[in-house]
Amino acid sequence: AQSVSQHNHHVILSEAASLELGCNYSYGGTVNLFWYVQYPGQHLQLLLKYFSGDPLVKGIKGFEAEFIKSKFSFNLRKPSVQWSDTAEYFCAGRSSNTGKLIFGQGTTLQVKP
Amino acid sequence: DGGITQSPKYLFRKEGQNVTLSCEQNLNHDAMYWYRQDPGQGLRLIYYSQIVNDFQKGDIAEGYSVSREKKESFPLTVTSAQKNPTAFYLCASSGIQGNTEAFFGQGTRLTVV
Repeated sequence: AQSVSQHNHHVILSEAASLELGCNYSYGGTVNLFWYVQYPGQHLQLLLKYFSGDPLVKGIKGFEAEFIKSKFSFNLRKPSVQWSDTAEYFCAGRSSNTGKLIFGQGTTLQVKP
Repeated sequence: DGGITQSPKYLFRKEGQNVTLSCEQNLNHDAMYWYRQDPGQGLRLIYYSQIVNDFQKGDIAEGYSVSREKKESFPLTVTSAQKNPTAFYLCASSGIQGNTEAFFGQGTRLTVV
């Protein structure tokens, strides 16, 4: 069965600290992977995505993620977080065969000024 | 203005009543999705549709029904069989290709009393 899981449910960091949020997936066939962010009171929006090619993908606002096929992982990273990064982050995977798009449990990131 | 419109934003219903949540998109997307968002559980997929007049069950379809008679519309009915219907419901749409980004509506908060 397809699944996406996020390891950290609640992360608290100080400004300028480095961030890494874990995401693991389980899919048969080709999978496309995404990270979305939901700022307080706003829609979910796309941070970055991976579907082929360079496994290190860069997104908006200085975020990046690395696809490691051998580990079934797609972890999100940012070298130095800001207070404005306080939000909920979701990893997602979409099957190229079925189009089914599923999300992980989400990680709430709180950045202290 | 292109986007996804969910209505209403807040909805109250008495237990035992069916209720239909509206989702309309003018992005010309083929695929549409319904999710339920509960604290600590992320977004759980209820139903999805890749094309008009076709839809598939997601991971938590019991107690819900959908229709896809028009490309731009994907209404969700929460039936009286849904044991715990009080939740935040999100609709999304995307292109048919697996690597395309999904766009989200603002959500409907349903409270059943």
